Amino acid sequence: ETGVTQTPRHLVMGMTNKKSLKCEQHLGHNAMYWYKQSAKKPLELMFVYNFKEQTENNSVPSRFSPECPNSSHLFLHLHTLQPEDSALYLCASSQEREGPETQYFGPGTRLLVL
Amino acid sequence: GENVEQHPSTLSVQEGDSAVIKCTYSDSASNYFPWYKQELGKRPQLIIDIRSNVGEKKDQRIAVTLNKTAKHFSLHITETQPEDSAVYFCAASRMDSSYKLIFGSGTRLLVRP
Repeated sequence: ETGVTQTPRHLVMGMTNKKSLKCEQHLGHNAMYWYKQSAKKPLELMFVYNFKEQTENNSVPSRFSPECPNSSHLFLHLHTLQPEDSALYLCASSQEREGPETQYFGPGTRLLVL
Repeated sequence: GENVEQHPSTLSVQEGDSAVIKCTYSDSASNYFPWYKQELGKRPQLIIDIRSNVGEKKDQRIAVTLNKTAKHFSLHITETQPEDSAVYFCAASRMDSSYKLIFGSGTRLLVRP
């Protein structure tokens, strides 16, 4: 349960605020992911980082800005968000080899945009 | 684009009965199919996965079957227990550099004691 941690667990912000979500993985994995989970919708992949390099940006608006300083840490910088961005933001990590491997999720940050 | 359809969206079964959740994928190049369980307020956790080189995999009360021709895969839970109550997500991925998982919309399973 402590392999992937996320902070903060809950966040309330106004549309003009700037905040950052943090994810840390203690599993020695080489890939990290940001997902958005909204009510009654599938988990939506936002970004993928493999060995600190962004390999996927799933048409995410520029008000979401990821940062991966090393293979253990992943940030999601938020600015001028909209109320529809309110959701659970999940981080995940995996050890990618020759193909897809199990992704381990963090507990998520529940974001409310007012 | 890539898509995973999951049915049913909700499923209620009596304790001890079996539960079956079905998923269909669109990308014929998909070759990895994990299933995640998410209990209320908790993170998704992998419960079983299958790769395209096998047709069935079993782990105690949980089994997954894969039909590559029809592009669908299913989760089977036997002898259900109240603690099986959760939301279950299927996903599909292909072997390329992005390792992108496409998730189904989830099935809320309720096991009635």
